[in-house]
Amino acid sequence: AQSVTQLGSHVSVSEGALVLLRCNYSSSVPPYLFWYVQYPNQGLQLLLKYTSAATLVKGINGFEAEFKKSETSFHLTKPSAHMRDAAEYFCAVSDPWQAGTALIFGKGTTLSVSS
Amino acid sequence: EAGVAQSPRYKIIEKRQSVAFWCNPISGHATLYWYQQILGQGPKLLIQFQNNGVVDDSQLPKDRFSAERLKGVDSTLKIQPAKLEDSAVYLCASSLIGTNTEAFFGQGTRLTVV
Repeated sequence: AQSVTQLGSHVSVSEGALVLLRCNYSSSVPPYLFWYVQYPNQGLQLLLKYTSAATLVKGINGFEAEFKKSETSFHLTKPSAHMRDAAEYFCAVSDPWQAGTALIFGKGTTLSVSS
Repeated sequence: EAGVAQSPRYKIIEKRQSVAFWCNPISGHATLYWYQQILGQGPKLLIQFQNNGVVDDSQLPKDRFSAERLKGVDSTLKIQPAKLEDSAVYLCASSLIGTNTEAFFGQGTRLTVV
């Protein structure tokens, strides 16, 4: 069964600092991978997705993620944090060989940004 | 384009009462999902529909939870009777059919069982 592990339930950075949120997947074949962001009292919004094309994926709000098969990782980064980036971030995986399978989410990482 | 609509936004009920949530997906999206998000955890799939048929309900507690999607559009999720551990945010999402299509989420319904 597929799964994702997000290392670190809480990450704190200063405004302007690098953001690094970690995600590792467990799958026998490279899956499709997604990062979603959730602001307080809101639903989930897609930041970016990997679907076996370019391994470096650029998303919205300046975020990007790199798929590394050798490390089974899909870490999310942003060069310079902004106060508005404070939110909950979820990594998710889906099976590329079964059309329409639901996303399986990690437990999430709360990002705090201080001024 | 209108997003996924859910109602109500908040609901407080006593244990053993029943409750229902409603979801209207994005027009044209054949796939609809209900997720349960307990505080501090990631969303967990409860049930997935494709049109009006159930694709996956393996994690739905069928002794108390039920869901339907009549006519392949709107969906309702019901809990009867509710337990304290059902307190969570219930998220509805929809997507087109495909292997790498994005799921669009509604704002969710926050259920508190007291």
